[in-house]
Order: sequence, then structure tokens, then C-alpha cells
Amino acid sequence: QVQLVQSGAEVKKPGASVKVSCKASGYTFTGYYMHWVRQAPGQGLEWMGWINPNSGGTNYAQKFQGRVTMTRDTSISTAYMELSRLRSDDTAVYYCARVGVFGLVVVVAATYGLDVWGQGTTVTVSS
Amino acid sequence: SYVLTQPPSVSVAPGQTARITCGGNNIGSKSVHWYQQKPGQAPVLVVYDDSDRPSGIPERFSGSNSGNTATLTISRVEAGDEADYYCQVWDSSSDQWVFGGGTKLTVL
Repeated sequence: QVQLVQSGAEVKKPGASVKVSCKASGYTFTGYYMHWVRQAPGQGLEWMGWINPNSGGTNYAQKFQGRVTMTRDTSISTAYMELSRLRSDDTAVYYCARVGVFGLVVVVAATYGLDVWGQGTTVTVSS
Repeated sequence: SYVLTQPPSVSVAPGQTARITCGGNNIGSKSVHWYQQKPGQAPVLVVYDDSDRPSGIPERFSGSNSGNTATLTISRVEAGDEADYYCQVWDSSSDQWVFGGGTKLTVL
């Protein structure tokens, strides 16, 4: 079955970086955009960006430009999200999520939503 | 940046119909997706492209989108529908995906 399995919880100090992994299985990893979304405690969902697993191309939310890096390793069907210069307000659950259509055309992908989600990775930033 | 506005909460009795709105400038020209999130769980896509349902989602969940408002309608509400619901769109002008603030659905 199609699933996304994320790495375990992390505790980081302010100013550090965190790298979260998302291993895909059950489908062609390079055929679907992968997005990252986070959720601070008691708050709503916040879009962080996407990666094209085939080309490695990325598109980041303006809020995270310069602090986030999304990469992938196609040999192991895994996407990564690294966030640097962590602050206390980066404490959140981070999710990877797949777009629900095969094919890497931005306009088409935007009409399908995020149909498969990872279980979430809790990142705690505290001194 | 594009803003989506949802009511913080909606309450409905079991068996009744719940309507959750998502407001945005000319949202009717965009594809709207809806997610259900229960406490401690990842979100689940319940409606995509305004009104389509992924496989496995009950027909009780439906969506519409016109003008400046998109609506998620849940018919014959059950206790298990109690959750947070989020709308989402892609803003083509900025090439950014945007979520609404979320609506907590309470089943009385």
C-alpha cells in the first residue's frame, strides 16, 4: 500500500538545524510532487513548500525562504526537509504529503490536493 | 498573499447537515481542497478540486465553490465527523499553496 514513513522526534536548541526524512513506498516516488506542511501546537496547518522528486526542483513558501531546504534521494525513495536557524516558534509537527496525481505539471497537481500523508515528526526547539 | 478565511467553529446535532465555509477573493476561480484532521492524527483529504471525493470518503461529504466562498457540506452528521477541517488552494499568482485557518466541527 501507498505510505509515507517519517523519521522520529527531534529536540533541538535554538539556532540549530533539523533534517526530517520521509520514506515513500507503494508507488513511483519520482512521479508525484512531495509537499511539506507543519502544525504548531494548537494551531492550524502551514504549507512550507514542495519538491519535484524527479528533477529535484523546489518551491518554498515565502516565509521559509532562506531557511528551508528540500532534497531527495531517488535511490531510496526518500524526501528530506531541513530547517535551519531554528527558533522556539518552529516547535511543531512536520508532515510530508504526496500530491494525489501522477505527473509533474504544477497546474494539474494543484487540482488534486494532498492524498497521502506521513505520520508526522515532532520537532521541539528548546534551550 | 492570498488569504483563506474559515469560521473558527461550527456546531451541529447528529443527523443534521453541517456547512463549513472558506472565503477568499474570487475563490470560485481556484480548485479548493478540504482536509479532515482528528486529534493526534495526520490530515485526511475528504474533497479535492471543489467537489470530488477520494476513494473511501463517504458520499455524505460534498463540496461546492462559487464567487468568493467555497463550502464543505457534511450530510447526516455522525459523532465520528467531529474534527478540525481545513480548506486549501493554490494561488497561481504567487505559486504558493495556502491553507485556511481551520474550523472545529462539534457534534452536539
